[in-house]
Amino acid sequence: DGGITQSPKYLFRKEGQNVTLSCEQNLNHDAMYWYRQDPGQGLRLIYYSQIVNDFQKGDIAEGYSVSREKKESFPLTVTSAQKNPTAFYLCASTRKNTGELFFGEGSRLTVL
Amino acid sequence: QKEVEQNSGPLSVPEGAIASLNCTYSDRVSQSFFWYRQYSGKSPELIMSIYSNGDKEDGRFTAQLNKASQYVSLLIRDSQPSDSATYLCAVQMDSSYKLIFGSGTRLLVRP
Repeated sequence: DGGITQSPKYLFRKEGQNVTLSCEQNLNHDAMYWYRQDPGQGLRLIYYSQIVNDFQKGDIAEGYSVSREKKESFPLTVTSAQKNPTAFYLCASTRKNTGELFFGEGSRLTVL
Repeated sequence: QKEVEQNSGPLSVPEGAIASLNCTYSDRVSQSFFWYRQYSGKSPELIMSIYSNGDKEDGRFTAQLNKASQYVSLLIRDSQPSDSATYLCAVQMDSSYKLIFGSGTRLLVRP
């Protein structure tokens, strides 16, 4: 079945550590996104990528980094520079020229 | 001013009633509009998209768009307890792939 797989689902991090969240899709979608959601809040865009080897900063990119070396994969690294990283992270993808996003199940990051 | 605004709720309706969810946006060049449903602890799922003024119906759901007034709404007819969730409005601001989300309206359908 086609879909988006995020891993891990739950992750605990000590302060000062970098962590990488995985996102893989087999939908043959061109565009991929990373959003962050805090309790009771909407989704805020971290990074998005329209094609391989190209990505753009969203509204809250500071303290995060991404890569897009393959069409299927769009990993997100939460660096130690991100001061408040505890949140629910959502990866999404979409076909070209549409805003109809398909979401993965999300990764919940907690900083201890 | 937020780019996409929604009343956080909760909006409480009895089972079988019509639930009306509203969303306003600030950018007049916005092109595409979406409603996503998010159950507690889960990821959002797309339930409706609308691109032109007027109404679009899909089963019990109707999306309404008024670009002149810069609002989009979602009506849920014959509301069911299983409709209880947070509904997120999303707007595609320009020809890019960037989607801006509202903070969501929590809907409670009372049995």
